[in-house]
Amino acid sequence: QQQVKQSPQSLIVQKGGISIINCAYENTAFDYFPWYQQFPGKGPALLIAIRPDVSEKKEGRFTISFNKSAKQFSLHIMDSQPGDSATYFCAAQNSNSGYALNFGKGTSLLVTP
Amino acid sequence: EAGVVQSPRYKIIEKKQPVAFWCNPISGHNTLYWYLQNLGQGPELLIRYENEEAVDDSQLPKDRFSAERLKGVDSTLKIQPAELGDSAVYLCASSLAPGFGEQFFGPGTRLTVL
Repeated sequence: QQQVKQSPQSLIVQKGGISIINCAYENTAFDYFPWYQQFPGKGPALLIAIRPDVSEKKEGRFTISFNKSAKQFSLHIMDSQPGDSATYFCAAQNSNSGYALNFGKGTSLLVTP
Repeated sequence: EAGVVQSPRYKIIEKKQPVAFWCNPISGHNTLYWYLQNLGQGPELLIRYENEEAVDDSQLPKDRFSAERLKGVDSTLKIQPAELGDSAVYLCASSLAPGFGEQFFGPGTRLTVL
């Protein structure tokens, strides 16, 4: 059973535009929500992460928005660049037990010049 | 600092053959994870080690998969015998401690079973 649902499956954005990827979860025990970026032939790499005690976290051009009541979180990539073209995975973890990262199915982002 | 090292990077075998993957985590990382990533999907946990102890192997198909981390450092994941459906990328990750922030992933081993 997919514990984290991610959309869209693929996304095409023009250079300079905003890329938005959404995720939803059901398990209220999740307390750590990272986003991973994966390039072809590479393992996923942590991009940015948030805990549910804040509603937003920004690091450079990347922002996570978190809505605890709706059990949703999203990644915003501002001023998208061709080098951002990759697959993005949201994930959720219960840091008190289990510890496995529960990944979404991924979003393939293409930023066109 | 070296990242998570995995070998081989690619492996092609015929069905019913055995195969093994090796992982060396980041130095000092006590927690090691093996994930399976099917094409177009997110990684799914197979097994988690705390030092040399397998503390979560509920998703490991134990009839054909086995894993070990004898000295609490590097780890080996084995499949015997391999089936066509095992074709995927096998990712190893490590972290300082369970539930302690970032998991660092290796580049993975891409397995093709013919």
